[in-house]
Amino acid sequence: EVQLVESGGGLVQPGGSLRLSCAASGFTFSTYWMSWVRQAPGKGLEWVANIRQDGSEKYYVDSVRGRFTISRDNTKNSLYLQLNSLRAEDTAVYYCARAEMATTYYFYYMDVWGTGTTVTVSS
Amino acid sequence: SVLTQPPSVSEAPRQRVTISCSGSSSDIGNHAVNWYQQLPGKAPRLLIYYDNLLSSGVSDRFSASKSGTSASLAISVLQSEDEADYYCAAWDGSLSGYIFGTGTKVTVL
Repeated sequence: EVQLVESGGGLVQPGGSLRLSCAASGFTFSTYWMSWVRQAPGKGLEWVANIRQDGSEKYYVDSVRGRFTISRDNTKNSLYLQLNSLRAEDTAVYYCARAEMATTYYFYYMDVWGTGTTVTVSS
Repeated sequence: SVLTQPPSVSEAPRQRVTISCSGSSSDIGNHAVNWYQQLPGKAPRLLIYYDNLLSSGVSDRFSASKSGTSASLAISVLQSEDEADYYCAAWDGSLSGYIFGTGTKVTVL
């Protein structure tokens, strides 16, 4: 069964840090782009970051660039998101998702999603 | 960049609804559109990819189209299980990032 399981969420004070993990199973992890998507309480979906199969390309939404770092370990079938300098507006459910990206970047979509892990930034 | 969707649509069971998604040349105009369904309290699910292709296991009551910088999702023979939030999305070449639409809540009357 294809599965993604996130972990690492929790309550953190503003300015603090967290590391989210996503464990993949049931597919060849090293052959897929991977993404993080978040959803603030009562709000819509927001793409956060993605990473190429070999980790050589990474993209971030402007609001997290310089504070968040996406990485992966293909030997452990795992995706990570390091969250630093956290702000109240980073409070959200964070989803890990498997992605397909065209070599020309014409298409990009996320076809497998985890159930999410909740990050709450509050003093 | 923002993909604009109507906040909500509603229709009676067995009817048809259409959700619009308006973008620009940097996103929909030059990249494929995808549609996601999010049932209450659940993770999103891919419905449509590459403008109009049904994802595996998705009912053929769902269909989608694209023209220029706009796209639309149609749900025919509406059922109570279709009550959910629906998001369009596309890669944005000018941002080098992925953008979601504002989301549309579908209510079955």
